[in-house]
Amino acid sequence: DTAVSQTPKYLVTQMGNDKSIKCEQNLGHDTMYWYKQDSKKFLKIMFSYNNKELIINETVPNRFSPKSPDKAHLNLHINSLELGDSAVYFCASSPWTGQGEKLFFGSGTQLSVL
Amino acid sequence: DAKTTQPPSMDCAEGRAANLPCNHSTISGNEYVYWYRQIHSQGPQYIIHGLKNNETNEMASLIITEDRKSSTLILPHATLRDTAVYYCIVRSYNTNAGKSTFGDGTTLTVKP
Repeated sequence: DTAVSQTPKYLVTQMGNDKSIKCEQNLGHDTMYWYKQDSKKFLKIMFSYNNKELIINETVPNRFSPKSPDKAHLNLHINSLELGDSAVYFCASSPWTGQGEKLFFGSGTQLSVL
Repeated sequence: DAKTTQPPSMDCAEGRAANLPCNHSTISGNEYVYWYRQIHSQGPQYIIHGLKNNETNEMASLIITEDRKSSTLILPHATLRDTAVYYCIVRSYNTNAGKSTFGDGTTLTVKP
C-alpha cells in the first residue's frame, strides 16, 4: 500500500481554470503538508495541517486553498490558474510527536498550465 | 535555521562508497542534521538524521564532525539506483516540522 498517495499524477489545464489535487495518507500521521517544486527544483512548503488545523501558511496566493476533511486527507484547490502555477506539487505527512523533519512524501502531481 | 552548503554534483563508481559532504557552519545546539534524497520524478525520501553522534541505518551512515559544522552522508556500496539529488537540511527538532526549503542539493550520479 502506498503510504502517501496523491492524484492526479499529471494535470494539464488552461489558464483561468479551477483544479484540485487530492492527497491521502495511511500512516496514521497527524500532520500533512503541501510543497511546491518549481523548475529550478527548489522544494518549498506551502501549507501544513495538524489534525485538520492549519499550522503553516506560507506566502501563497489566496487562489490556493487547502482543505482537510480529516487528518488522513489534505486536498489542494487552485482557482484561476496562471502560467506561473506550473510546477510539481508534493503532498507529505509526518507524525506530530516532535520528530522534526522526518517527512514522508507522495509521488507528486505535475501541473502544466497552458 | 542554519544554512547548508553542498557541492552541486558528484560521481561515484558502482559498488564504491559515496561520501556526500554538507557544510552547516552556523548550526546551533538544538538543530539536527537531516538528509533526504529525490530520485528523478519521485518525492523526496527521508534517509537519516542526527544531532552530534554518528548514526547508521539500513540506508546510510551519517558522520557529524565534533564541532558540528559539517557532516558527511555515506552510502557504503552505491548502486545505480542511488543516483538522485541528495538534500542536507538543518532543523530544530521541535519546531514546526516541514517548514524547511529543500535547496540545491547534490546530484549524485552512480556510474557502472
